[in-house]
Formats: sequence, C-alpha cells, structure tokens
Amino acid sequence: EAGVVQSPRYKIIEKKQPVAFWCNPISGHNTLYWYRQNLGQGPELLIRYENEEAVDDSQLPKDRFSAERLKGVDSTLKIQPAELGDSAVYLCASSMATGWYEQYFGPGTRLTVT
Amino acid sequence: DAKTTQPTSMDCAEGRAANLPCNHSTISGNEYVYWYRQIHSQGPQYIIHGLKNNETNEMASLIITEDRKSSTLILPHATLRDTAVYYCIVRVAGSGGGADGLTFGKGTHLIIQP
Repeated sequence: EAGVVQSPRYKIIEKKQPVAFWCNPISGHNTLYWYRQNLGQGPELLIRYENEEAVDDSQLPKDRFSAERLKGVDSTLKIQPAELGDSAVYLCASSMATGWYEQYFGPGTRLTVT
Repeated sequence: DAKTTQPTSMDCAEGRAANLPCNHSTISGNEYVYWYRQIHSQGPQYIIHGLKNNETNEMASLIITEDRKSSTLILPHATLRDTAVYYCIVRVAGSGGGADGLTFGKGTHLIIQP
C-alpha cells in the first residue's frame, strides 16, 4: 500500500517569493492534515480537511497561507509571500474519517527561506 | 487536550528493553494515550494507543497506571533503528475525536547505543 506522498521534498526560496506544497493521501482516507514542524519542536496542526471541507483552520495564518483540497483527494498548501520565519518542515497526514484510526504521515517538505 | 511531560532524552543499550515514561496528570476520563515516534528526516509514525488497560502490539507495549496519570512505552528489544523522538499524546475520545489533529510536545529523544 502506498503511503502519503509529498512533493517537493526540499525547497529553497528567497523571502517574498511564493511557494506551494503538494500532498497525495492514502487512497480512501477522507481526512487530511497539514502540520508545520519547526526545528527541535513537535509538529503543529495548520489545517484539517474532511473530504473537500476545511473543518479546522484555526491555526492557519490566513494572511499569507492558503490551502485547498479539490475533489477531496490531493491537497495543496501555499505560502505567499514567504517570510524567513516560515522555514520549517511541512508535513501532510491522512486518516480514515471515523473511529480511532491513526494518522499516517508523509516524509514532509523541508522549506528554507533565505 | 491534556498536556504531557516527557524526559528530553534517554539512552538505551541495543538489545535491552527501552522504557519511556510519560506524565499526564490532568488527563480526562475520555482521553486516550497515544504514542508516535519520528525517525530523523521522516514523518511521525503511529506506535500504539490505549485508554486504561495495558496494550501490546508488534511494535511495543503500553502500560498505563491505574490512576491514568502516567504511562510507560516499552520497546522490548531495542535496535539501532529505534533511535528516534518519541511523542506521548493524549487526545479526546468520542464522536469526531479520533479524526482531530494531534497536539505534539517536544517528545523524548531515545538514542540506542550499540
């Protein structure tokens, strides 16, 4: 069974530039999550989708961050414009919609803003 | 969700049992204890979860005290590949709770020594 796929794995951009991350969840998983992980810290939830609907985006900095999950499968997380403080690993995870199913994480995208 | 307290780091000899403690003194009756681990440059990986009874799977055992204020994750025969950051997380049970985002702390960096 294929796991959660993320691309790119690494991205280096200059500040004020836009950047986008892509995630393909495990087939059949209705719930998709984006997390951000700063160096030396645990991941922090940015947004959670149930199918196409963003049901928890309270931690998403809406002035520069946006996300979408068209057709309830793949998802894209965008930052525009990027700031130095956005340097982090961006993790995507997916899970079944109900029950106590564990979350399956992708390998993450390491973003460096210079 | 309740907060957890874990040691920052631990060492364990290869082949020995690794016992990782976690304090969750403010855990509520409907909150489960989950353990995830994160190997360097990978996304977090689910290990095990439990409510009040001890649990065992192919990866580890989870021992929860009778008052549920603390727990211990046991890796019975640690290998070098078990070197990782281990996160203890408590999360609300009930409708929709299983699909909520995870709240990670800093975890315990377990180093398996050859």
